[in-house]
Amino acid sequence: KQEVTQIPAALSVPEGENLVLNCSFTDSAIYNLQWFRQDPGKGLTSLLLIQSSQREQTSGRLNASLDKSSGRSTLYIAASQPGDSATYLCAALGSARQLTFGSGTQLTVLP
Amino acid sequence: EAGVTQFPSHSVIEKGQTVTLRCDPISGHDNLYWYRRVMGKEIKFLLHFVKESKQDESGMPNNRFLAERTGGTYSTLKVQPAELEDSGVYFCASSFTRNTEAFFGQGTRLTVV
Repeated sequence: KQEVTQIPAALSVPEGENLVLNCSFTDSAIYNLQWFRQDPGKGLTSLLLIQSSQREQTSGRLNASLDKSSGRSTLYIAASQPGDSATYLCAALGSARQLTFGSGTQLTVLP
Repeated sequence: EAGVTQFPSHSVIEKGQTVTLRCDPISGHDNLYWYRRVMGKEIKFLLHFVKESKQDESGMPNNRFLAERTGGTYSTLKVQPAELEDSGVYFCASSFTRNTEAFFGQGTRLTVV
């Protein structure tokens, strides 16, 4: 059974810092890994999708990497801004075509 | 293009009542999923439709939950009768294929009192 862990659970950084969010998964037989953002009271916004054959994906200031063999993914946010404050979730798509979610990292970027 | 739309955004019902949640997926997306998050827990899979067929309903908690997707367009999730432990946020998602990006709706916050 797939388990997804996100560390840290919460992170507070000053504006302008570069930061890394971590995601680990126990079953490396995944089809893809997706990073989401959730603002309070809102739905999930897809940020990046990395297919199992890919190593990384980039979108603007965001870069996500995937290492299937070690069961890890990271989300790198460059030059953080207060508007980046949100909860970031990673989810792995396994053989059953179900997304297994981590519990999220709550990010606060201080002005 | 419209995203995934869920209705209602909030619902407060009494224990024993019935509630029906609706999801309109992105047009052209054959794959539709229901997930939910109960208080303090991770988001968990409920079921998966491909067009109008239930592909996987292994995450449905019990037979009080009934999902339908007539005509392969919108989907409904009915909870009857609702129990206190059913409280949480119910998310719907859709994707073009089973392995492509999943797009989520804003969720329906269900509170059973």
